[in-house]
Formats: sequence, structure tokens, C-alpha cells
Amino acid sequence: EAGVVQSPRYKIIEKKQPVAFWCNPISGHNTLYWYRQNLGQGPELLIRYENEEAVDDSQLPKDRFSAERLKGVDSTLKIQPAELGDSAVYLCASSFQQGFHEQFFGPGTRLTVL
Amino acid sequence: DAKTTQPPSMDCAEGRAANLPCNHSTISGNEYVYWYRQIHSQGPQYIIHGLKNNETNEMASLIITEDRKSSTLILPHATLRDTAVYYCIVRVGTNTGNQFYFGTGTSLTVIP
Repeated sequence: EAGVVQSPRYKIIEKKQPVAFWCNPISGHNTLYWYRQNLGQGPELLIRYENEEAVDDSQLPKDRFSAERLKGVDSTLKIQPAELGDSAVYLCASSFQQGFHEQFFGPGTRLTVL
Repeated sequence: DAKTTQPPSMDCAEGRAANLPCNHSTISGNEYVYWYRQIHSQGPQYIIHGLKNNETNEMASLIITEDRKSSTLILPHATLRDTAVYYCIVRVGTNTGNQFYFGTGTSLTVIP
């Protein structure tokens, strides 16, 4: 069974440019998470979806970040415009349902903003 | 707002038990303790979780103190592949559901 797929794995952009990250969760997993991981730190939750609904986006910087999960499967996280401080690894995770103990993480997208 | 405290780094000899401590002194009665690990350039991987009782699975054992203010993850026979950052996490219930709070983790190096 395939794990969580993310693309691209690496992205380098100049500040003020837009960028998008894509995530395909494990088949059948209703809950999808986007995390941001700064260098030397643990992941921090940005947004959590239950099917198509964003049920927790309190940590998402809404002035420049947006996310969507159409049809309750794949998800896209966008930053527009990117700032230098957005350089980080963006991780996607999924679980069978909210409260299910194990979250399965993808390999992440490493973003570098110049 | 990490709710756990871990030593930043530890070494362990290959084949020996690795004991990774974690303090979570503000944990509430219904909050679970989780352990994940992250190998370089990969996403975190689930290891084990517990609430009150000690737990064991094929990867590790989790020992939780009676007052639940601290726990220890035990890798019984560490191998070179166990070199990773280990995160002790408290799962907190919020009004929108459960949320993981990762700390900065312990970087474990298994030495040949």
C-alpha cells in the first residue's frame, strides 16, 4: 500500500513569488493534516481536514496561506506571496479518522525562499 | 507551545538498550503520550502511545510514571537504523478535536 505522497520534494523560489504543495493521502484516510517544520524544531500543525472540511485552521497564517481539499482526497497548500521566513519543510499527514492514534506522514516538501 | 521536555541529544551503543526520557509535568488526566521518530529527510513515524499503563509493541516499550508527569521510551536492542530524532508528544483535546504538540525532540545516535 502506498504511503502519503507529496510533491514536489524540493522547491526554491524568490520572495514574493507564489508556491503550491500537493499531497495525496493514504487511500481511505478521512483526516488530513498539514504541518510546518522549521529547522531544528518539531512539526507544527497548520490545518486539519475532516473529509472536505477544514475543522482546525487556527494556526494557518491566513493572510498569505491557503489550503483546499476538493472531494476529500488530495489537498493543496498554497503560499502567496512567499516570505523569507516561510523557508521550512511542509509535511502532510493522514489518518483513518480524527482521534485515530497513528498519523502517517509523507516525506515533506522542503521550501527555500531566497 | 511544547508541552514536553526532552534532552537534546543522546548516544547509545549498538545492541544496547536506548532509554529516552521525557517530562510532561502539565499533562492532564485524559491526554495521551505519543512517541514518534524522524529519520533524516523523512516524515515522522509513529512508534507507540499510552495513557496510564506501560505499553509494549514490536518497536519499543513505553514506561509512564504513576503520576504521569514523565515517561521513558525504551528501544531494547538499538541498531544503527534507530539513529533519528525522537519526539515525545502530548495529544491535547481542543474544541475542534485532538492536536499533537511536538517538542524539539531528542537526537539519538547509535554508535557501532
